[in-house]
Amino acid sequence: DAKTTQPPSMDCAEGRAANLPCNHSTISGNEYVYWYRQIHSQGPQYIIHGLKNNETNEMASLIITEDRKSSTLILPHATLRDTAVYYCIVRGFNQAGTALIFGKGTTLSVSS
Amino acid sequence: DTGVSQDPRHKITKRGQNVTFRCDPISEHNRLYWYRQTLGQGPEFLTYFQNEAQLEKSRLLSDRFSAERPKGSFSTLEIQRTEQGDSAMYLCASSPTGSNQPQHFGDGTRLSIL
Repeated sequence: DAKTTQPPSMDCAEGRAANLPCNHSTISGNEYVYWYRQIHSQGPQYIIHGLKNNETNEMASLIITEDRKSSTLILPHATLRDTAVYYCIVRGFNQAGTALIFGKGTTLSVSS
Repeated sequence: DTGVSQDPRHKITKRGQNVTFRCDPISEHNRLYWYRQTLGQGPEFLTYFQNEAQLEKSRLLSDRFSAERPKGSFSTLEIQRTEQGDSAMYLCASSPTGSNQPQHFGDGTRLSIL
């Protein structure tokens, strides 16, 4: 079973920031938080991952709370092409070869 | 394009037929994974290769399923005697060796069983 909890759906206006929450209250010290998204009829796309520090790349920012029990993925200026299902996944430090366990994710709808 | 490549993108077949899918991972990625995704659900893990060795198999991988990765490059997933319940998207992913390297996915093969 997935170790994360996400809202089933969210809406965002084009050009605004999209903030997608994820709860992972049972995360252990060596587990990373990964975010993927899946646009209709495509494979999941890797976005970002982190352990305890906030991370930023060209796609998004990841904010992890100090107790690591929750995190937020931020898309700073959402566009219509960001409409997708977003998955938050936790994965152990030494589990590089094991499966990603996907939940049902959050369906983000960006509208003009 | 240097991403994960899957072929074919779509496959329609009659129940009872055998099908084979191919996955070409990103160059230099030693790890290769197969997942299955049904409508409305997230992907589910099927199996994992480290180079040519198949190191992990999910209980979802029944004896009608077989995967290979000869020479540690491309991989094939074969389903024998297909059933209606095999209709799904079959996704391949690859990653480099090393802790916490993210997996990168192809766009999948959509299988429809008539």
